[in-house]
Amino acid sequence: DTGVSQDPRHKITKRGQNVTFRCDPISEHNRLYWYRQTLGQGPEFLTYFQNEAQLEKSRLLSDRFSAERPKGSFSTLEIQRTEQGDSAMYLCASSLASQGGQPQHFGDGTRLSIL
Amino acid sequence: AQSVTQLGSHVSVSEGALVLLRCNYSSSVPPYLFWYVQYPNQGLQLLLKYTTGATLVKGINGFEAEFKKSETSFHLTKPSAHMSDAAEYFCAVSDRKGYKLSFGAGTTVTVRA
Repeated sequence: DTGVSQDPRHKITKRGQNVTFRCDPISEHNRLYWYRQTLGQGPEFLTYFQNEAQLEKSRLLSDRFSAERPKGSFSTLEIQRTEQGDSAMYLCASSLASQGGQPQHFGDGTRLSIL
Repeated sequence: AQSVTQLGSHVSVSEGALVLLRCNYSSSVPPYLFWYVQYPNQGLQLLLKYTTGATLVKGINGFEAEFKKSETSFHLTKPSAHMSDAAEYFCAVSDRKGYKLSFGAGTTVTVRA
């Protein structure tokens, strides 16, 4: 169990630029989740995949956000035309889908700073 | 819709003292409940979870939590605080479908020597 891996750990970019983050889940986990965490708050759900299918997207996920999991393994989260309000920690988690209550295992996150 | 309320954004305890972190949830049916810990610049680590069965749940690092349906609570305790317990703690709930987590705002614990 190598854990959930996220890359990069930190990203600094100018407003209006596009950014892409990568998440590698625990290998046998078929569910993958993205959350966003702002300073002093708990994580907020963005979207989740079961295998390669994106099954739910939060209303927080505007049209500028897109997530993919093309082969049911790693996932990418892209933000287009970044805005100041996108500054946050983006967390990825994975879990088994065998039954309810399976704990989600989190990566260390990608911290995005918009200049 | 589910929601989680953590009472107290900051808790300060002396080393060796009881740690008590409060969590209340709102849900139409008993949900699955979790406590996570987050150290600076790191992701969340699972401390313990409640799904079904025994309402007193033991987790890692000496933490435990009790599910009280009548009070819609899932408070986290540790009998004796250690300096390494200084971190931020999040209570979370998921519905019986068991995927999306809803988190509380978190409680920051500081431990005084």
